[in-house]
Amino acid sequence: AQTVTQSQPEMSVQEAETVTLSCTYDTSESDYYLFWYKQPPSRQMILVIRQEAYKQQNATENRFSVNFQKAAKSFSLKISDSQLGDAAMYFCAYLRGNKLVFGAGTILRVKS
Amino acid sequence: EAGVAQSPRYKIIEKRQSVAFWCNPISGHATLYWYQQILGQGPKLLIQFQNNGVVDDSQLPKDRFSAERLKGVDSTLKIQPAKLEDSAVYLCASSLGTGSAGELFFGEGSRLTVL
Repeated sequence: AQTVTQSQPEMSVQEAETVTLSCTYDTSESDYYLFWYKQPPSRQMILVIRQEAYKQQNATENRFSVNFQKAAKSFSLKISDSQLGDAAMYFCAYLRGNKLVFGAGTILRVKS
Repeated sequence: EAGVAQSPRYKIIEKRQSVAFWCNPISGHATLYWYQQILGQGPKLLIQFQNNGVVDDSQLPKDRFSAERLKGVDSTLKIQPAKLEDSAVYLCASSLGTGSAGELFFGEGSRLTVL
């Protein structure tokens, strides 16, 4: 069974600085998708960024980028120029076929 | 575009009582998901519908949980009888199709407290 591990329960970053959230996963498949979802307090979860496993190039969405290491089964999220609105719970997720599996999440706090 | 609607937002019940949650997905989305999110954990898939058929309900505790999606649009999730460990946020999500590259759109969730 696929598992997703987020080893950092909580992270803090100063406004305007950069932070990296870690994620590792376990799979025997070669074709799959990986995602980072953001869940602000008391608000709905939204997709931040998506990576297709067959693409070697790391995905980027404005201030959000990933470091995808397929052999190491690692998928970290880098947030540059952190803003107060980035404070949220971040979930790493793995998709193979129709099953989306989430990690336990990392709480990101942004200090002004 | 209207998002995924869920109700009620909050519900407090005593154990052994029953509760129902309702979800209206984004118009045109064929796939609907119910997730259970226990405090401090990631969401866990309970059931996935494709139109009005069940794709995956392997983690649904069928002795107490039931879900339906009549006419392939709205869905209800029922718990009867509730247990203390059912306290969680129940998230509904929808997507255009099964495995549509993970682009799920979530509702705000229904927070259940079982006393």
